[in-house]
Amino acid sequence: EPEVTQTPSHQVTQMGQEVILRCVPISNHLYFYWYRQILGQKVEFLVSFYNNEISEKSEIFDDQFSVERPDGSNFTLKIRSTKLEDSAMYFCASSEGGIGGSPLHFGNGTRLTVT
Amino acid sequence: DAKTTQPNSMESNEEEPVHLPCNHSTISGTDYIHWYRQLPSQGPEYVIHGLTSNVNNRMASLAIAEDRKSSTLILHRATLRDAAVYYCILRRNTGKLIFGQGTTLQVKP
Repeated sequence: EPEVTQTPSHQVTQMGQEVILRCVPISNHLYFYWYRQILGQKVEFLVSFYNNEISEKSEIFDDQFSVERPDGSNFTLKIRSTKLEDSAMYFCASSEGGIGGSPLHFGNGTRLTVT
Repeated sequence: DAKTTQPNSMESNEEEPVHLPCNHSTISGTDYIHWYRQLPSQGPEYVIHGLTSNVNNRMASLAIAEDRKSSTLILHRATLRDAAVYYCILRRNTGKLIFGQGTTLQVKP
């Protein structure tokens, strides 16, 4: 069964450094998402992306964050200058369609640790 | 975003059926009912979704009340691997899913 893959599985970075998290969505999917989960807390929506542009973003997704689909297969999340509070699991997801009846498929996440 | 209400936790015995309830009294006509689960140290996993009719797939069944204000996820025979947090989420035609706290299911051998 096709799956969403994320790399790396664990990233350690120093505060103030830039980090790029990478995702390969399922190949025929057109909608892409990033979520994060701080340890012990809920899964939080960050951003959705369709047709090479952001369709929706949350309050968390400020100017420090950006997303890109640099080629036909990858989808990346960049954090420009990491803060301690950015430490979390980051999950990429994709869906075939953007309508309510189209399920999201998630990767197993990248654990980001900011020191 | 329409809200769902789930019990914080439930327990089940292995190989017995599990019924996980969800209330969504403010559901609108275009909201789909989605269920996901999250096993420890993994990403959320799609389980099942429906609009009005009951649905079955290889993982579970979804029973939707006639007024759509509640639904029940049914695991027919719980295994230890089904121990997870189960999320009931209403998805509109806007794309994103909003996760709540979900129901933590414990399965006892």
